[in-house]
Formats: sequence, structure tokens, C-alpha cells
Amino acid sequence: SQKIEQNSEALNIQEGKTATLTCNYTNYSPAYLQWYRQDPGRGPVFLLLIRENEKEKRKERLKVTFDTTLKQSLFHITASQPADSATYLCALAPYNKLIFGAGTRLAVHP
Amino acid sequence: DTGVSQNPRHKITKRGQNVTFRCDPISEHNRLYWYRQTLGQGPEFLTYFQNEAQLEKSRLLSDRFSAERPKGSFSTLEIQRTEQGDSAMYLCASTLWRGDGTEAFFGQGTRLTVV
Repeated sequence: SQKIEQNSEALNIQEGKTATLTCNYTNYSPAYLQWYRQDPGRGPVFLLLIRENEKEKRKERLKVTFDTTLKQSLFHITASQPADSATYLCALAPYNKLIFGAGTRLAVHP
Repeated sequence: DTGVSQNPRHKITKRGQNVTFRCDPISEHNRLYWYRQTLGQGPEFLTYFQNEAQLEKSRLLSDRFSAERPKGSFSTLEIQRTEQGDSAMYLCASTLWRGDGTEAFFGQGTRLTVV
């Protein structure tokens, strides 16, 4: 079955630094990959979608890369702020149903 | 349209009781998903609908769980004979599926506590 792996340990960084989160997947060749943000007690919120023919995508301070050979996506937040503290989820859609990784919790310290 | 709406936001029930949750998706969205999420985990896929048709149900899902989407609009998720292990956040999401990737919009979830 398809498997999505994200760093289970929380990522702690200093304000202003770049946060990099990793998403690895197995047993699947996705046409696209999505990233979501989730705050405690709330539903996930869509951030970015990247397709298999796109190496990189940017949105404001966010950047996503997609390496279909390594079966990996990297999610970067540049100039991080305490307000960026949240859990970030990676999602794929094998056979047209959307499935999620466990997420990585990011804490940005002032 | 105010987005995906889930009711109730919180539900406390005694073990063995039945509970039903409701999800109102964004009106023009044709696809609706149900997920379950426990602390420290990502959303776990339960089932999804394309219009009124239930296309897939997770093999991990007990027969105590059933979902409906009559007329392809709102959806309900019922859990019969609840167990303490059913305690979780139940999330609903909708999307306008056109055959390729589109973002999913989530509701705020229903937090179920079985005592």
C-alpha cells in the first residue's frame, strides 16, 4: 500500500531562519503532491500543490520542491515567523483519494 | 458560501451509544471526504463520495461506521455502539474534482469523546 513519511519529531528553529520539512513516499508515482497547514483543534488548510512535471513552486515565503526520482518533496518556509508555528501535512492522491502523512510540527521561536 | 460546516463541534457520549455527525460541503463541490484524526497523527482516510455515490470505504473501517450523502449534498457519518477507541476528531473535506489535483477544503471537525 502507499506510504507517506514525514519527520515525526518536531522542528524547532529561530525566527528569521529557513524551515525545511521533508515528505517521502513509497509504492506510488503521484501526478501531484499537496501541502497543508494545521493549527491545533482546527481542520487542515491548503497551502500549495506541485505537479510531477514541476521541479519547484513558490508562494510568497513558501517553496516546495518535488523529486519524483527520490520520491521526495521538500517544503521550505523562508524568513520564518512565530506565526508559522503549526503542523504541516503532506498529501497525495493515489487512485484519486486524498491521503495524508502524519505531519511535522514546526515551532518558530522569537 | 462560508466553507465546509460540521456539526456538532463537540460530542461526548457513553460507550455503546450511537452518534451521528453532519457535514455541509461547499455547495458546488462534487467530492466529499471523511477523515479521522487522533493526537499526533495525520488525518486517516475513512471514506469518500463523488456526488451521492460512495466510491471507497477504508478497509480499516469497522462495520459500525456508516456514511451517507443523499442527493449529493450534505453527508452524515454514523457510529453505532461507540467504543472508547472511537474517540478522535472527525474531519470532513470537500473538493471540486475535475480529474486532476484540486485543493481540499476542510471543516473545523467534530471532536468525539467516548466515556
